[in-house]
Amino acid sequence: DVKVTQSSRYLVKRTGEKVFLECVQDMDHENMFWYRQDPGLGLRLIYFSYDVKMKEKGDIPEGYSVSREKKERFSLILESASTNQTSMYLCASSLGGFQETQYFGPGTRLLVL
Amino acid sequence: AQKITQTQPGMFVQEKEAVTLDCTYDTSDPSYGLFWYKQPSSGEMIFLIYQGSYDQQNATEGRYSLNFQKARKSANLVISASQLGDSAMYFCAMREAPNNNDMRFGAGTRLTVKP
Repeated sequence: DVKVTQSSRYLVKRTGEKVFLECVQDMDHENMFWYRQDPGLGLRLIYFSYDVKMKEKGDIPEGYSVSREKKERFSLILESASTNQTSMYLCASSLGGFQETQYFGPGTRLLVL
Repeated sequence: AQKITQTQPGMFVQEKEAVTLDCTYDTSDPSYGLFWYKQPSSGEMIFLIYQGSYDQQNATEGRYSLNFQKARKSANLVISASQLGDSAMYFCAMREAPNNNDMRFGAGTRLTVKP
């Protein structure tokens, strides 16, 4: 079974702090994704990566950066957390191809005070 | 641009009855895939079922089936014999072949199964 893990289930940070969210997958998937989920908005893509050191902006990249130094690991970084980044963050991975499903981690609920 | 619409923010169903969750989509590309995911209160998104745009038959997976009406651009999820454990958020998603890293999600439907 595909396993996608995220470093934290819950995080509480202060405004202005640098925040790291880590995601690891164990199925050798090329593609990895970071989404943000807010009520009534569904999932919105922040960044995705299709290979090591490669990244593409999604719909809402502002205020975020990412890092993929190893194939299995994809990190989301909030350089200076703000209260409007309080949200649920979901990581996913998949093989290439439009018919391939994405496999999701358990999510990280981030609260920025 | 792709667009997924789920018009039902919340649905209620009696245990053991069937329920249909609506999903319409908008695309001009002939090759695309449609997905349904379940998100329990624990937060993890669970893949339920997939339908390809060229598939002749409606997809089925156990108690889940997809009512695919291509001309109407709808891909409704049907859950038969609802169980209490089916209470969750359900998301419809679509990915077009040319942009196979870009999966678009609807806003979701919260299903509550009543005993």
